[in-house]
Amino acid sequence: SQQGEEDPQALSIQEGENATMNCSYKTSINNLQWYRQNSGRGLVHLILIRSNEREKHSGRLRVTLDTSKKSSSLLITASRAADTASYFCATPRNTDKLIFGTGTRLQVFP
Amino acid sequence: DAMVIQNPRYQVTQFGKPVTLSCSQTLNHNVMYWYQQKSSQAPKLLFHYYDKDFNNEADTPDNFQSRRPNTSFCFLDIRSPGLGDAAMYLCATSPGQPYQPQHFGDGTRLSIL
Repeated sequence: SQQGEEDPQALSIQEGENATMNCSYKTSINNLQWYRQNSGRGLVHLILIRSNEREKHSGRLRVTLDTSKKSSSLLITASRAADTASYFCATPRNTDKLIFGTGTRLQVFP
Repeated sequence: DAMVIQNPRYQVTQFGKPVTLSCSQTLNHNVMYWYQQKSSQAPKLLFHYYDKDFNNEADTPDNFQSRRPNTSFCFLDIRSPGLGDAAMYLCATSPGQPYQPQHFGDGTRLSIL
């Protein structure tokens, strides 16, 4: 399978703490994307990082990409209860398809 | 707001009874996708349309078919649902260009009795 792997599978933290989740993938890519999925809802695109970028920020989100290790990480700083969701990384298989990782379920306790 | 809309949000059907799920978009995107997502798993691509060109994934069962009558609408038909087809079905769109994210609807939760 070409599916990416994410770890941890599940993460529980208190509000205010930082949450870090990691993604590893198998093939060369030109970009990597992160999505959030709230329970019972669709996926929402968070951030896209290109292969020539090493780090990207968006609000409380920080994404890093290491193409030599075929890995990426998503850091959510100062977590809130509303950040409780599943987070998926996704890599393109060709121009118009994505392969999603296995996901990390994040629980943020008030 | 431009969006992807799936109807219904919840669908219950009987074992073996055909069911159709619908998706519409106001984004005018070229590509529309159907994913199956089972509990605690990643979305699994079933097929997608680039404009009118249909692209089936190799491991998508023949039981699943799709129609795209126009740019805005796409349908997922399950001809003879089995218990293993109970899942969340997600529709997504994209412009079909590099470095563009996909936009998802909120899904249809399908239950099989």
